[in-house]
Amino acid sequence: GAVVSQHPSWVICKSGTSVKIECRSLDFQATTMFWYRQFPKQSLMLMATSNEGSKATYEQGVEKDKFLINHASLTLSTLTVTSAHPEDSSFYICSASPLGVGLYNEQFFGPGTRLTVL
Amino acid sequence: AQSVTQLDSHVSVSEGTPVLLRCNYSSSYSPSLFWYVQHPNKGLQLLLKYTSAATLVKGINGFEAEFKKSETSFHLTKPSAHMSDAAEYFCVVARSGNTGKLIFGQGTTLQVKP
Repeated sequence: GAVVSQHPSWVICKSGTSVKIECRSLDFQATTMFWYRQFPKQSLMLMATSNEGSKATYEQGVEKDKFLINHASLTLSTLTVTSAHPEDSSFYICSASPLGVGLYNEQFFGPGTRLTVL
Repeated sequence: AQSVTQLDSHVSVSEGTPVLLRCNYSSSYSPSLFWYVQHPNKGLQLLLKYTSAATLVKGINGFEAEFKKSETSFHLTKPSAHMSDAAEYFCVVARSGNTGKLIFGQGTTLQVKP
């Protein structure tokens, strides 16, 4: 199956610093990737849709200036948490589909990045 | 708007006994439904998906789910649980239109006792 990787797998940073998380599709190209956030023992919440060559689209309530997304190539999307604070601590997960954004298309998920802000 | 509700936050079964994880959906159109499993430190993995082709869907690792429109349900079952099935399970519905956006249920933790 298609493989999506994330880097780093975990990161600890100080409050006020910025953290960049990478999401890569290893064996397919993805014009669209998705970023989710998962709190402990909770479900995944879609944060934004990352579009190669254009601006990301954010879900309602997600601060686009706080969570910067750059889809630099067909295999790489990055999420930068700017001026991180403890409430940004969470598990961040990305996904993509080799077949694009069709209604029935399976998405492949990265293993996630655990961010802890001190 | 679409939504899914997983009726049990935690299910505990003994190894070798059947598994039932319940999911109800809400959708104004014929939905696209998925079950994903999340093991610790691993990415979510697709178990199966419903795409209106057949109401009984067979997935990987012996799991299957039945789409029941009259009950707006899409419950996940397995005849015999293995220890390796212990994980978090998510019922997921795709948003209408070809957006690729997914709506996740709250998740069900499956515990398998020896």
